[in-house]
Amino acid sequence: AQKVTQAQTEISVVEKEDVTLDCVYETRDTTYYLFWYKQPPSGELVFLIRRNSFDEQNEISGRYSWNFQKSTSSFNFTITASQVVDSAVYFCALNHAGKSTFGDGTTLTVKP
Amino acid sequence: SAVISQKPSRDICQRGTSLTIQCQVDSQVTMMFWYRQQPGQSLTLIATANQGSEATYESGFVIDKFPISRPNLTFSTLTVSNMSPEDSSIYLCSVWTADSYEQYFGPGTRLTVT
Repeated sequence: AQKVTQAQTEISVVEKEDVTLDCVYETRDTTYYLFWYKQPPSGELVFLIRRNSFDEQNEISGRYSWNFQKSTSSFNFTITASQVVDSAVYFCALNHAGKSTFGDGTTLTVKP
Repeated sequence: SAVISQKPSRDICQRGTSLTIQCQVDSQVTMMFWYRQQPGQSLTLIATANQGSEATYESGFVIDKFPISRPNLTFSTLTVSNMSPEDSSIYLCSVWTADSYEQYFGPGTRLTVT
């Protein structure tokens, strides 16, 4: 069985602070994909990143960066210099054979 | 890539009625799925919509409550039957492209049952 844990239910930061959202997963599969999604109040899921289980390279995209560590089964997401527009619910998901298991989500509030 | 549309985008329904949600993809895809997101909760997989055969349901979901059709490689429907207020959720259609290993989600159908 797959499991994704996002231990932080809610995080509140002040604009321009850096913030890291944690994601820990469990799986017995050797081939899988990890995703991060953003869900603003409007409700649509916004794709942020996909990582496969064989690619442990960290990635940076603008203010966003991701740290994938297979040894600790973690796929953490850092926002640098947060902005009010980053306020949303963020989901980490584990996909195997097309099916995704989602974490419970982390609600990020960025205050001006 | 795949662009997914869903109809309706939202609806308010009365208890005991049924609603059919449509999912249309702009390209042929092998794998289609339906997810539910209850208010304030995460997404949960309901079932895999199989083309030409019965859907495969996840634990806790049954065909009588959530019948699914998949007549071709670009279209699927999910029916929420005999609705109760507990069925108030966002229902999302998703596809997985096996050649590029990408996942796409539709915009969702926001259902409120009164």
